This record gives sequence, C-alpha cells and structure tokens, in this order.
Amino acid sequence: AQTVTQSQPEMSVQEAETVTLSCTYDTSESDYYLFWYKQPPSRQMILVIRQEAYKQQNATENRFSVNFQKAAKSFSLKISDSQLGDAAMYFCAYIYGGSQGNLIFGKGTKLSVKP
Amino acid sequence: KAGVTQTPRYLIKTRGQQVTLSCSPISGHRSVSWYQQTPGQGLQFLFEYFSETQRNKGNFPGRFSGRQFSNSRSEMNVSTLELGDSALYLCASSFYGSSYEQYFGPGTRLTVT
Repeated sequence: AQTVTQSQPEMSVQEAETVTLSCTYDTSESDYYLFWYKQPPSRQMILVIRQEAYKQQNATENRFSVNFQKAAKSFSLKISDSQLGDAAMYFCAYIYGGSQGNLIFGKGTKLSVKP
Repeated sequence: KAGVTQTPRYLIKTRGQQVTLSCSPISGHRSVSWYQQTPGQGLQFLFEYFSETQRNKGNFPGRFSGRQFSNSRSEMNVSTLELGDSALYLCASSFYGSSYEQYFGPGTRLTVT
C-alpha cells in the first residue's frame, strides 16, 4: 500500500530562520511525483513545490526547497528566511504515474512562525 | 487564468437530506478530483473524473456520487446525509499532463446537524 507519513504534527520557527519539515513515503512504483501543499487557516490549498521521482536534482522554488532522498523514500521541505505568511498546515502528497487523480496525503504539519 | 471555484462555500444540512456540490476547474483542465477533509481522517480521495467519465474512486459508500459535464465542470452528490459527512469537501483540477499536479478550490464546508 502506498502511504505518506509526516512525523511532525507541529513545528515552530522564528521569523527569518530556516525550518525543515519531514516526509517519508512508501511505494513500489518507480514513476511517481511528490508535492508539498500549503493550507493557511481557512484558506485555499496551494501547491508549494513539485518533485519528479526520475529527477535527481532537488526542486527549488524561491525560499522553498526539497531534499529528495529516493533510496530512503524521504522528501523533506526546507523553508528559508521564514515569514509570518508561511504559517499554515503543510501537506506532503504523492501520486504515481498512471494514477487517475488519487493524490495520497500525509496527515500534515502545522507550522507556526514567531515574530 | 481564473482558479478553481466551488459553490456553495458553506452549507448546513440535516441528517437524511441530500446535497449537491459544484466545482468549476481551471480553463483547459479536463481532470477533476474530489477530496474529503476532516480533522480525524485528513484528506481522503473520493473520485476523479476525466472527459465526463469516472476513472477512479476512493473507498467511500455509494451515497457519494459525482458527475462531470462536457465543459469539465463537476458536481458531487451525497445522499442520506449522516453526521459523519460533516467535512470540508475540496475539488482539484489538473491538466493531466506529465506533472500530475493538482490545483485546489477553496472548498465547501458542509455541516450536517
């Protein structure tokens, strides 16, 4: 069974500091994609970053970057220069190639940013 | 481009009633997926539609159904509502290219009393 695990229910970071959110997944597929989504309180789910499993290079989007360790099935998100607006629930998600719409999500990590 | 829109945003229903939720995908997106989000179970996949056909279905009872129209707009219906159906229902659209990324709407908050 394909599963996504986020072991940190809550995290806290000081404004302007760096924080890393953890995610591990389990799959026997070779063609898959990994995502981090951000869901601010009472607001829309937003795609933060995407990683294709076949790419060795870690994805980066401005202050957001991932550490993709395929052999270890690990996909962590690093947020640099944290801002107050980064406070949200962060969900790690997985989908395999050929899957029809079924994103599998972790339980989420609630990130708080302290001024 | 306009984002994914969902209507209504909030809904209060009574046990036993039925409800229909609507989702309009991003222009050009042909795949629409539906998810149920609850504090206890997290985000769970309901079903996916592509070109008016349901291609995939999650592990939900038959009370949950959906459809997609020729303009890619989608509706989901829940019949005989139960208290446990109270949740945030999210739809997401995808171009169904090689990236598989999905873009989410704001959700419909359903409360069953």
